[in-house]
Amino acid sequence: QLQLQESGPGRVKPSETMSLTCTVSGGSINSASYYWGWIRQSPGKGPEWIASIYFNGKTYSNPSLQSRVAISTDLSKNKFFLKLRSVTAADTAVYYCARHVVDAYGDPNYFDPWGQGTLVTVSS
Amino acid sequence: IVLTQSPATLSLSPGERATLSCGASQSVSSRYLAWYQQKPGLAPRLLIYDASFRASDIPDRFSGSGSGTHFTLTISRLEPEDFAVYYCHQYGGSPPWTFGQGTKVEIK
Repeated sequence: QLQLQESGPGRVKPSETMSLTCTVSGGSINSASYYWGWIRQSPGKGPEWIASIYFNGKTYSNPSLQSRVAISTDLSKNKFFLKLRSVTAADTAVYYCARHVVDAYGDPNYFDPWGQGTLVTVSS
Repeated sequence: IVLTQSPATLSLSPGERATLSCGASQSVSSRYLAWYQQKPGLAPRLLIYDASFRASDIPDRFSGSGSGTHFTLTISRLEPEDFAVYYCHQYGGSPPWTFGQGTKVEIK
């Protein structure tokens, strides 16, 4: 059974860079069947997709965050990563990693499953 | 594409039928819409994909329908474990792929 586990700093100071890791077990991220994505959710709000990455390095990112976001993988360790630069209080949220299922055309579709999430608070 | 869910809160009793709506600001191509269930403190769980296909291990009391700009999630008979927040998610066309703001199904 595929499982995803996020890890991160918990608290980041304004203007700094937030770094998150997603460790995948029970399946390989080196697969043509899936992208691997990051989604965040601020308290009381709907989820917001951040970025997704394919095994060959192809990426998609939300235009609203694109200038501050970097997503990458370490296929040998079955992990993928998110960096978000120049954070502000508006970036405070629970951050989830998830498997991003592709369709017959190789385009990312829905998310299944999700990790349990990690709360990141931006505060000095 | 902006997704608008209604109502924001649905107050029902166990055994009743729940009908949740998701409206899109533009047509969602290929019926590329999913529904998720989220309980407090937990991650969202996929219920429905491609507008009407149930995900693995999802009971058949959950069903999805719709196309274009209007989609519906129906729970035929609410069980106690179904009281939660539900989100729709569109993944058609170019990014950004977006989520609705959620509908909370609460016990009346």
